[in-house]
Amino acid sequence: KNQVEQSPQSLIILEGKNCTLQCNYTVSPFSNLRWYKQDTGRGPVSLTIMTFSENTKSNGRYTATLDADTKQSSLHITASQLSDSASYICVVSAYNAGNMLTFGGGTRLMVKP
Amino acid sequence: GAVVSQHPSRVICKSGTSVKIECRSLDFQATTMFWYRQFPKQSLMLMATSNEGSKATYEQGVEKDKFLINHASLTLSTLTVTSAHPEDSSFYICSAPSGGVGTEAFFGQGTRLTVV
Repeated sequence: KNQVEQSPQSLIILEGKNCTLQCNYTVSPFSNLRWYKQDTGRGPVSLTIMTFSENTKSNGRYTATLDADTKQSSLHITASQLSDSASYICVVSAYNAGNMLTFGGGTRLMVKP
Repeated sequence: GAVVSQHPSRVICKSGTSVKIECRSLDFQATTMFWYRQFPKQSLMLMATSNEGSKATYEQGVEKDKFLINHASLTLSTLTVTSAHPEDSSFYICSAPSGGVGTEAFFGQGTRLTVV
């Protein structure tokens, strides 16, 4: 069964600090891994998308890494801002599932001043 | 970039009535769209896959007669919650892939449904 697990479930950090969110998956055969940011009451917004051959991808202060061997990914947020407070969702798709996505449970990040 | 527009963003309806939610791909065609449901502090749960010109595919446990899906064109899918009950109150989100496997999936803004 395809699964995506994220940790921690929730995280509180101070403004300006860095943090790293984790994602482990068992989706097979792997196609790509995406990180989304979801503000409360809004739809998810894409941060990064990585395929098998990509180890890292950045989008501003967000940097995602992918280790396809260990089936792990991380999302690093640098110099956090109050607006980073949101849920971050790791999503993985498999080649034989068309465009169907497997969602992680998300990490709820709160950045405090 | 490609945009998926979902309407309405919020709706309050009485028990027993039906509510229609629209999902439009604004600058690309989507032969497939996905409908999700999200409860507070939980991740998105796939309800059904909407296929243009054919019947939708529902996930196990999702009542197809209650959640009617119509994908009449390459840019529009609708989800109708029929005979709504308070337990149907939730956040509903649609998504559409911009292309084939591995391409970006764009999400609508979501619809907050409250059944009173």
